[in-house]
Amino acid sequence: AQTVTQSQPEMSVQEAETVTLSCTYDTSESDYYLFWYKQPPSRQMILVIRQEAYKQQNATENRFSVNFQKAAKSFSLKISDSQLGDAAMYFCAYTGANSKLTFGKGITLSVRP
Amino acid sequence: DVKVTQSSRYLVKRTGEKVFLECVQDMDHENMFWYRQDPGLGLRLIYFSYDVKMKEKGDIPEGYSVSREKKERFSLILESASTNQTSMYLCASSSHEAGPTDTQYFGPGTRLTVL
Repeated sequence: AQTVTQSQPEMSVQEAETVTLSCTYDTSESDYYLFWYKQPPSRQMILVIRQEAYKQQNATENRFSVNFQKAAKSFSLKISDSQLGDAAMYFCAYTGANSKLTFGKGITLSVRP
Repeated sequence: DVKVTQSSRYLVKRTGEKVFLECVQDMDHENMFWYRQDPGLGLRLIYFSYDVKMKEKGDIPEGYSVSREKKERFSLILESASTNQTSMYLCASSSHEAGPTDTQYFGPGTRLTVL
């Protein structure tokens, strides 16, 4: 079975600085997809970024980028120029052939003004 | 914009009651999912459905059942609510078209308290 591990429960970043959220996963599949979801306080969960395992190039969406290390099974999220609106819980997630998402436990990110 | 709605944001029920949580999506998505979210545990899949009248167990189906009579609606049923089912329940939907790459779109959640 696939597992997703987010070992840090909380992180804090100064506004305008860069922060990296860590995620590792375990799978025996060769073809899969990885996601970062954001859940702002009392708001709906939304997709931040996704990565196909067969692509070597790291995905980027504006201030959000990933560092995907397939051999190490690591999938970290980098947020550049952090903004107050980035404060949220972030979940790393995995999906493979069965289309079911497996989530990590999440990390709460706070942004200091 | 994709819209996933859930019937209630907050719900308080008593032990032993039958509880219905409703989810509706407006994007003609084939896939629908029910998760529960608990602090320190992340999201765990309860049930999912790939099509009308189809359902499959997720990782924690015990104590729950589901119904999908129409494509846009997916209901989660707690046959006899217990205090350990106090949680946040999230519904999500996604399209079949691109398979596993399809983004799941989430509803706002229902915070259920069982007394």
